[in-house]
Amino acid sequence: EAGVTQFPSHSVIEKGQTVTLRCDPISGHDNLYWYRRVMGKEIKFLLHFVKESKQDESGMPNNRFLAERTGGTYSTLKVQPAELEDSGVYFCASSQTRGPSETQYFGPGTRLLVL
Amino acid sequence: GQNIDQPTEMTATEGAIVQINCTYQTSGFNGLFWYQQHAGEAPTFLSYNVLDGLEEKGRFSSFLSRSKGYSYLLLKELQMKDSASYLCAGTGGGYQKVTFGTGTKLQVIP
Repeated sequence: EAGVTQFPSHSVIEKGQTVTLRCDPISGHDNLYWYRRVMGKEIKFLLHFVKESKQDESGMPNNRFLAERTGGTYSTLKVQPAELEDSGVYFCASSQTRGPSETQYFGPGTRLLVL
Repeated sequence: GQNIDQPTEMTATEGAIVQINCTYQTSGFNGLFWYQQHAGEAPTFLSYNVLDGLEEKGRFSSFLSRSKGYSYLLLKELQMKDSASYLCAGTGGGYQKVTFGTGTKLQVIP
């Protein structure tokens, strides 16, 4: 069974440009999460989808970030326009059910560098 | 909200035992995860504790004390491949929201 995949693995863009990150969860997982790790800091929650619906987007830093999950399969996270402080590693995770002990399986992350 | 604290770095010798501590302060706490993350790779699940006590899985064990807001990850018979960051993460606040600590970078030396 394939794990969580993310594309691209790395992205280098200039301030003001737009970048779109993609996450493909494990097949059959209704829950999809986006996290971000800024250099030297902890991994921080951004948002949670249940199928195509945003269940919790309390971690989204501002309105330059837009996440979608049309059809309830893969998800995209768009940053527009990108700022220097957006640099970091963006992780996606998925889980099957909503139980509190449900393990979240992480993707390898997308390393974003904004110059 | 949640606050997770763990040491930044630790060094231990191959074949030895190491304990990585984690303290948490959280509202609506459900349970506590431990993840292992090798450099440049995805965090991988190690354990999840909901009840007080020790849970053992091979060379790795995890302990939780809910009353003390404290957990530890115990690694036995250390191997060089155990060199990685170990992330303590609490769940709570509804909807499986996970709050991570900064991670403990463990270096295993010969």
